Amino acid sequence: EAGVTQFPSHSVIEKGQTVTLRCDPISGHDNLYWYRRVMGKEIKFLLHFVKESKQDESGMPNNRFLAERTGGTYSTLKVQPAELEDSGVYFCASSQERRSGEFFGPGTRLTVL
Amino acid sequence: AQSVTQLDSHVSVSEGTPVLLRCNYSSSYSPSLFWYVQHPNKGLQLLLKYTSAATLVKGINGFEAEFKKSETSFHLTKPSAHMSDAAEYFCVVSVWMDTGRRALTFGSGTRLQVQP
Repeated sequence: EAGVTQFPSHSVIEKGQTVTLRCDPISGHDNLYWYRRVMGKEIKFLLHFVKESKQDESGMPNNRFLAERTGGTYSTLKVQPAELEDSGVYFCASSQERRSGEFFGPGTRLTVL
Repeated sequence: AQSVTQLDSHVSVSEGTPVLLRCNYSSSYSPSLFWYVQHPNKGLQLLLKYTSAATLVKGINGFEAEFKKSETSFHLTKPSAHMSDAAEYFCVVSVWMDTGRRALTFGSGTRLQVQP
């Protein structure tokens, strides 16, 4: 069974540009989460999808971040325009039920210059 | 509110010697506690979890952790380190939110280095 996949693995962009990160959850997993780790600090929650609906987006830092999950399958996280402080590793996770464990992807390392 | 403190950012051990990665937590509720591991270019993998059953929890790859409520600790141990254990380890506390989401609070991570 394929795990959670994320694309790209690395992205280097300049301040002010736009970047879109993609996450493909494990097939059949309705719950999808985005987390990020900034500057070697703690991994922090960004938002939670149940199918295509945003269940909890309390961790989204500001309106430069837009997450979508059209059709309830893969998800994208767009940062527009990117700022220096957005650099970090963005993780995606999925779970079948809310009370089951999350499976994490390898992360996308974003560097904003 | 909950928080997690991993007391060491880096730990270096020799192959075959014991591993101790320290974690202290605080939580307003009865927490569930987890240890995750991340090997280079891999996703976070669940090592073990404590959910109010036995206080000594056994996980994969020979790791175990003991929940000590009086000390608010959940240290991760392994009797004998292997080269393949070199990775970054995260202690995590979770509580259930009103939205139905399990809120995970991560520690800052401990990078384990294993010397031959």
